[in-house]
Amino acid sequence: DGGITQSPKYLFRKEGQNVTLSCEQNLNHDAMYWYRQDPGQGLRLIYYSQIVNDFQKGDIAEGYSVSREKKESFPLTVTSAQKNPTAFYLCASSITNKNTGELFFGEGSRLTVL
Amino acid sequence: AQSVTQLGSHVSVSEGALVLLRCNYSSSVPPYLFWYVQYPNQGLQLLLKYTSAATLVKGINGFEAEFKKSETSFHLTKPSAHMSDAAEYFCAVRPRDDKIIFGKGTRLHILP
Repeated sequence: DGGITQSPKYLFRKEGQNVTLSCEQNLNHDAMYWYRQDPGQGLRLIYYSQIVNDFQKGDIAEGYSVSREKKESFPLTVTSAQKNPTAFYLCASSITNKNTGELFFGEGSRLTVL
Repeated sequence: AQSVTQLGSHVSVSEGALVLLRCNYSSSVPPYLFWYVQYPNQGLQLLLKYTSAATLVKGINGFEAEFKKSETSFHLTKPSAHMSDAAEYFCAVRPRDDKIIFGKGTRLHILP
C-alpha cells in the first residue's frame, strides 16, 4: 500500500546528542514537509521541500536540518542547537506544493530528550 | 497573513448529540479548506476538503462541513456523536499557490 513511513516511532536521547528522524514515501509525491506538534500549539512547519536537492525553511527551522537527496526520502536531524527538542514530529507529503491537494501524513515520531 | 482560527480548544458533547466544531479563516480569496482528525499518538487523517466545488462537503465517518464565504467559516458537523469520534480535529487552509496553514486544534470529548 502507498503511504508515508516514519521511524522510529519513539526515540529517547540524551541532551546534546543529534538525532535523525526518517521519513519515506512511496506515493510519488514531489513535496514533503516536517512539522512539530506540541500540546495546544497545533502544527508548526519546520522545513519543506518541493523538489529533490532543494528545501526551504519553515517557521521554526532553527536547530533542525534536512536533506532531500531522493524523491522518496526526507530525513530530519534534530541538532544539539535545538533548545527544546522534546515533541511529536510529523512528516507529510503532497503531489506538489501548489495545487488543491491535501497533505498525507505519516504516523509520527515522538522524541523525548532526557 | 493568512490565518485559521478554531473556536474552543476543548469541546464536550454527549453520545448521540450533534457535533459542531468551528473554524474561521482569513483570506481575501476563497482558499482551499480541510478538516483533519488525529487520534492519540498517530498522524493526521483527512476528513474532508473544500476545493471550490459544492459548498457543502461530505467526508468520512459521517462528518460534513459547509463553506460560507460571507462568514469566512468552514464549520465541521456530525448529526450524532459516537464514542469513537473522540479525537483532536484540525482545520486547515491552503491559500492559492501557498503552503497549508493549520489551526491549533480542537479536542473533542464524547460523554457517555
